[in-house]
Amino acid sequence: NAGVTQTPKFQVLKTGQSMTLQCAQDMNHNSMYWYRQDPGMGLRLIYYSASEGTTDKGEVPNGYNVSRLNKREFSLRLESAAPSQTSVYFCASSDWESSYNEQFFGPGTRLTVL
Amino acid sequence: GENVEQHPSTLSVQEGDSAVIKCTYSDSASNYFPWYKQELGKRPQLIIDIRSNVGEKKDQRIAVTLNKTAKHFSLHITETQPEDSAVYFCAASISNFGNEKLTFGTGTRLTIIP
Repeated sequence: NAGVTQTPKFQVLKTGQSMTLQCAQDMNHNSMYWYRQDPGMGLRLIYYSASEGTTDKGEVPNGYNVSRLNKREFSLRLESAAPSQTSVYFCASSDWESSYNEQFFGPGTRLTVL
Repeated sequence: GENVEQHPSTLSVQEGDSAVIKCTYSDSASNYFPWYKQELGKRPQLIIDIRSNVGEKKDQRIAVTLNKTAKHFSLHITETQPEDSAVYFCAASISNFGNEKLTFGTGTRLTIIP
């Protein structure tokens, strides 16, 4: 099992450009999450999906959109990137029945917006 | 919403000594408290968690205690080793059977001095 995978690993954007961060999990988990990690601020929840077909806002959703494409995949889109979105982005997944809600994280995407 | 405060932000201990990291939370409805370890450049990984119906949980050299009345919980690492050097994050959530909206603390950088 690969667990949680994310692409790309690194990305540099110019202000105003758009991009989609991809996340996939092969653990048959129902819930998936997107976090951003900034120095000194821990991890903050951007969006989450409790199950296929549902998405909800987290703590810092402004400037982002998400799509739960199917049970495996959960993408995060920046429509018009801003320097304030420079961060490391982590995707995670969990499942009440199989993992007792432990969240498994992907390797992260380091995004720089110039 | 939930607010989690974590102290200290940095901690240095001699190898073999104990380390304690403390967190407080604001929402009395929170009932799930995980601790994650993040090594430099790596993804966060769960090391131990506790639910509100338990006051203490231990796993080898790691233990977590929870005081619901005071709304604080602590991570204890005994007989520290160089591989314990990392950033540790506490988190809190209202466990909702597949809908774990974790609120993280800002992290503690633990350095083990050989």
